[in-house]
Amino acid sequence: AQSVTQLGSHVSVSEGALVLLRCNYSSSVPPYLFWYVQYPNQGLQLLLKYTTGATLVKGINGFEAEFKKSETSFHLTKPSAHMSDAAEYFCAVSERAAGNKLTFGGGTRVLVKP
Amino acid sequence: DARVTQTPRHKVTEMGQEVTMRCQPILGHNTVFWYRQTMMQGLELLAYFRNRAPLDDSGMPKDRFSAEMPDATLATLKIQPSEPRDSAVYFCASGLVPGTGDYEQYFGPGTRLTVT
Repeated sequence: AQSVTQLGSHVSVSEGALVLLRCNYSSSVPPYLFWYVQYPNQGLQLLLKYTTGATLVKGINGFEAEFKKSETSFHLTKPSAHMSDAAEYFCAVSERAAGNKLTFGGGTRVLVKP
Repeated sequence: DARVTQTPRHKVTEMGQEVTMRCQPILGHNTVFWYRQTMMQGLELLAYFRNRAPLDDSGMPKDRFSAEMPDATLATLKIQPSEPRDSAVYFCASGLVPGTGDYEQYFGPGTRLTVT
């Protein structure tokens, strides 16, 4: 069975500061990994994904994440936070044999301070 | 701009009433997922379909929940009878498997259900 752990349910950053959201996963097979963002009262939107190939993946809105197999991690970063980054972020894993069924982490809510 | 649509966006009902939520997946997608989001449990997969056939509904309370795909353009999630603990946001998502390198699930805006 697969699982996802996001460290920190809430993160507060200053505008312009680094955003770092941590995600660790467990999976019995090579996983597909995703980060989704949810703005208030909206559905989930894909930020970025890792399937195969380059382990550093770039997404929308200046976010990127690095797949580290040895650490079973897929941490999300953005060099400089913007007020519009305030949202909830979800890490998710899909086992390739599971046909795109996603298992989500608990989410991290990001607050950006002016 | 193709997107998943869900109706209704908001639903308030009394305990014991039947609730039906509808989802229109993106045209051409062959996989549909139903998720429930609550503060306590986060995002949970309730059920999913491939080519309109149910593949997994183990996350769904069987006694009161049912999910169907009458046709490729419509997925429904029904609760009968509804209970206050069913209050949540229900999301539908669709995708294409086998993927064309995409592997993404596209989420609808959700139905916010309140059972009083």
